[in-house]
Amino acid sequence: SAVISQKPSRDICQRGTSLTIQCQVDSQVTMMFWYRQQPGQSLTLIATANQGSEATYESGFVIDKFPISRPNLTFSTLTVSNMSPEDSSIYLCSVRQGEQPQHFGDGTRLSIL
Amino acid sequence: GESVGLHLPTLSVQEGDNSIINCAYSNSASDYFIWYKQESGKGPQFIIDIRSNMDKRQGQRVTVLLNKTVKHLSLQIAATQPGDSAVYFCAENMTLAYSGAGSYQLTFGKGTKLSVIP
Repeated sequence: SAVISQKPSRDICQRGTSLTIQCQVDSQVTMMFWYRQQPGQSLTLIATANQGSEATYESGFVIDKFPISRPNLTFSTLTVSNMSPEDSSIYLCSVRQGEQPQHFGDGTRLSIL
Repeated sequence: GESVGLHLPTLSVQEGDNSIINCAYSNSASDYFIWYKQESGKGPQFIIDIRSNMDKRQGQRVTVLLNKTVKHLSLQIAATQPGDSAVYFCAENMTLAYSGAGSYQLTFGKGTKLSVIP
């Protein structure tokens, strides 16, 4: 399966600031996704990162708050904008290639003060 | 809306015993299911999957059972080991209609924490 690397692995940020999380895959993949996992909870899909076009956001998530880029088939970024303590979560990058199961990176643990 | 859920939020098992983790789903149109294992500080790790045209699938020490009649999914772990301690999530495939590429998304259950007693 693809090796997925996320940076940073964790960060502590001040409210009102923004943080960009990077996801790098060691091979080209068809699909890339971004999830949020709040403390002690399950995973919620934020958006599907589309190569060369705007991301597809799920209900409750908007581009202004979570802008996403995907310039090629191996890389994507998620920005968490104008952060508040409620944004403290684990943000996970996930990929899928063809009919293979979806695989996840180890996530970015974000705390906002 | 429809969602995936779990019957048991926590499960403690003696080392060497078998573990059974259950999951209920409500979307009758779902055709693909996955079990993930998430250890502390890590992302979800794929364990096993099953398509709706199957009732059972076996892996190494793990078996997934699918009962479409009652919309129930289970993960069985044989001879549970301390390294099996983790949170286990089931996920349900929901095919998205708006993508011409046939993209899909996974809806995750709430998770079950498995603790293995040495």
